[in-house]
Amino acid sequence: EAQVTQNPRYLITVTGKKLTVTCSQNMNHEYMSWYRQDPGLGLRQIYYSMNVEVTDKGDVPEGYKVSRKEKRNFPLILESPSPNQTSLYFCASSYQGLVGLHEQFFGPGTRLTVL
Amino acid sequence: KNEVEQSPQNLTAQEGEFITINCSYSVGISALHWLQQHPGGGIVSLFMLSSGKKKHGRLIATINIQEKHSSLHITASHPRDSAVYICAVVMKATNKLIFGTGTLLAVQP
Repeated sequence: EAQVTQNPRYLITVTGKKLTVTCSQNMNHEYMSWYRQDPGLGLRQIYYSMNVEVTDKGDVPEGYKVSRKEKRNFPLILESPSPNQTSLYFCASSYQGLVGLHEQFFGPGTRLTVL
Repeated sequence: KNEVEQSPQNLTAQEGEFITINCSYSVGISALHWLQQHPGGGIVSLFMLSSGKKKHGRLIATINIQEKHSSLHITASHPRDSAVYICAVVMKATNKLIFGTGTLLAVQP
């Protein structure tokens, strides 16, 4: 089954404690991306990657790191989480065609609370 | 001014009504996506458009590249269509995605 998986689904942590949210896709997609969703602000892109070892900043990259060492995985790292990073996070992947990005496949989301 | 504007922000309809949600953007794009998110649920991609019109069941999506405008239509709406509908554009030069703030649709029986 084609899917994007994220782990953990829920996480409560404390300020400053490093954490990683994993994302994996089984569709051999080139493009992977992380988004955060906040009430009133909607979805915003954090980082994206167009292929292995290629990553770029989205609209809200501050406080986050990513890496793309393998095509299927795109972990999101919060080196020193702060309360303003409390949010719902989505990972997504898509095929990168000639006319642009194709259908985005979203993971189920990770609800992060930073105390 | 937001680079992607959606209207309306909220929409209530009676079952069976024809619904239109609009998306306008101000940047050069390579594609536009329509997404659906049910309350408490995940996000599902409905359409990817780079030109013209697409149809899937009761859903129709159109895009006018010259006018920088897209519409999502739902024919014969049903309560199960109640969800947030989100427009997202893919910036031509960078492949960055920019999202509209979404349209909350409630279809009453």
